[in-house]
Amino acid sequence: AQSVTQLGSHVSVSEGALVLLRCNYSSSVPPYLFWYVQYPNQGLQLLLKYTTGATLVKGINGFEAEFKKSETSFHLTKPSAHMSDAAEYFCAVTALSGGYNKLIFGAGTRLAVHP
Amino acid sequence: DTAVSQTPKYLVTQMGNDKSIKCEQNLGHDTMYWYKQDSKKFLKIMFSYNNKELIINETVPNRFSPKSPDKAHLNLHINSLELGDSAVYFCASSQDKGYGYTFGSGTRLTVV
Repeated sequence: AQSVTQLGSHVSVSEGALVLLRCNYSSSVPPYLFWYVQYPNQGLQLLLKYTTGATLVKGINGFEAEFKKSETSFHLTKPSAHMSDAAEYFCAVTALSGGYNKLIFGAGTRLAVHP
Repeated sequence: DTAVSQTPKYLVTQMGNDKSIKCEQNLGHDTMYWYKQDSKKFLKIMFSYNNKELIINETVPNRFSPKSPDKAHLNLHINSLELGDSAVYFCASSQDKGYGYTFGSGTRLTVV
């Protein structure tokens, strides 16, 4: 069965520092992987996704993630954190259910950015 | 225009009551979902409909009954509300059998 593990429920960085949010997945089939962001009291917004092709995926707001099959990882990075990046981040993998796909989410990582 | 809209945004109700949450999408997607986000922010799928047909039904109490009158709408009715039902409920839609979801802004349900 597919699953997602996000290492670190809380990550704190200084403004301007590198952001690294870790995600490892388990999947018996080639995975489709996603990162979503949730700002306080808001819905989920897609940051980026990997389906096939290039393993380095660029998303919105300067984020990118690299699919590493050998490490079963899909870590999210941003070179320079901004105060507005403070939010909850979710990694997700698709799982087949009756011929349809459903998203399986990790537990989330709360990113804090301090001046 | 909002792509996936849910109403109401906030819902406070007493234990034992029955309540409904409505969801509508204007993206032309074929598949719609309900997800529950608990107090620890964990997101779990509850139901999924494809063209008005139930395709995914996770282990959810019978008190929860989704209804899809057409492929643009997926409503969630909850009977005999319990304290443990307090959560944020998200509606989502997707094309292509689930590759790429669009989420609504959520309904925060508080049972007192």
